[in-house]
Amino acid sequence: GENVEQHPSTLSVQEGDSAVIKCTYSDSASNYFPWYKQELGKRPQLIIDIRSNVGEKKDQRIAVTLNKTAKHFSLHITETQPEDSAVYFCAASLRSGGYNKLIFGAGTRLAVHP
Amino acid sequence: DADVTQTPRNRITKTGKRIMLECSQTKGHDRMYWYRQDPGLGLRLIYYSFDVKDINKGEISDGYSVSRQAQAKFSLSLESAIPNQTALYFCATSDLQGTETQYFGPGTRLLVL
Repeated sequence: GENVEQHPSTLSVQEGDSAVIKCTYSDSASNYFPWYKQELGKRPQLIIDIRSNVGEKKDQRIAVTLNKTAKHFSLHITETQPEDSAVYFCAASLRSGGYNKLIFGAGTRLAVHP
Repeated sequence: DADVTQTPRNRITKTGKRIMLECSQTKGHDRMYWYRQDPGLGLRLIYYSFDVKDINKGEISDGYSVSRQAQAKFSLSLESAIPNQTALYFCATSDLQGTETQYFGPGTRLLVL
């Protein structure tokens, strides 16, 4: 089955620096890759996603890149701010028998220090 | 996102007890999911349902059962709770016709003593 590995598990940056989180997936048939942000004590919420027919997608300070050949995708946050501090989860979706389900990475705890 | 609600929000129970966690949604979504979250392990899928008559096992279904009572309701039961089921449980929904975005409930924190 699909497996998603996420690195690093923790990341500490200074405010204004960039942060990069990387994920790899195992099933080459995966076609949808969302990123979720979970603030302390809150529910996970989608921040950006990318489909397998696109190599890069941007939304203001966040961007996601996808390398299908290498089976990895990354989240890039520029000009980090303290409110970016949270746990970030990547996921990969695989369509199988008419069903889509997400397999999540283990999460990255990002701390942005003022 | 108040459209997906979970009850209870916190629960303490004892080993061997049967408990039920409930999820309701007003988003009109067909698909509902139950995940558990453990530190360092991310979100793992327990069960999912793509409509009222459809129930599927996820990665870690042993020791759990579910019931899809209506399109808007999806319950998770622990038949005989054990301490390693102590975790944060999330319900989520997604739209069959729309994007694959999953919308999560606020979570239920369960402690099994």
